Amino acid sequence: EPEVTQTPSHQVTQMGQEVILRCVPISNHLYFYWYRQILGQKVEFLVSFYNNEISEKSEIFDDQFSVERPDGSNFTLKIRSTKLEDSAMYFCASSDYRQESEKLFFGSGTQLSVL
Amino acid sequence: QKEVEQNSGPLSVPEGAIASLNCTYSDRGSQSFFWYRQYSGKSPELIMFIYSNGDKEDGRFTAQLNKASQYVSLLIRDSQPSDSATYLCAVNKGGGGFKTIFGAGTRLFVKA
Repeated sequence: EPEVTQTPSHQVTQMGQEVILRCVPISNHLYFYWYRQILGQKVEFLVSFYNNEISEKSEIFDDQFSVERPDGSNFTLKIRSTKLEDSAMYFCASSDYRQESEKLFFGSGTQLSVL
Repeated sequence: QKEVEQNSGPLSVPEGAIASLNCTYSDRGSQSFFWYRQYSGKSPELIMFIYSNGDKEDGRFTAQLNKASQYVSLLIRDSQPSDSATYLCAVNKGGGGFKTIFGAGTRLFVKA
């Protein structure tokens, strides 16, 4: 069964460093998303991406964050200068085109720890 | 007012019982409603979706939607210990929307 793949599964970084989280969405999906979940808290929307541009973004997704689809398969989230409060599980998701565009398929996540 | 509200639980039911999970949402323009299951340390997994008022059944799961009351529920019949997880209610404005908002989830514990 097709799945969303995320790498790495764990990322430890120092405060102020840049990190790039990587995702390979399901191959025929056209909508891509990043969510995050701080330990014990809810799944929070960060950004959605369609047709090579950001469709919607949340207040969390400030200038420190950026997304990119560098090729036909990868979808990345970059955090330019990490803060302690960026520590969270980051989930990539993708969804299909047409009527089922709202159904999200999640990757297994990248646990980001900022020290 | 939170966009999607759920009782955090935990909701504890005996094996074989019906578990009832509830959710309310604030945006009247919302058109698509989802229930995701999240096991501890894992990613959310879609289990049900509903777009129209009324009931939708899929196996042991029934989703119920009342747009007038801005209320969504999930019933799990014949609950099993493997159903023990956090259930996330999620809402999207629909129309090919690009932003799905999640509630904080209800923890369900099914006792064997």
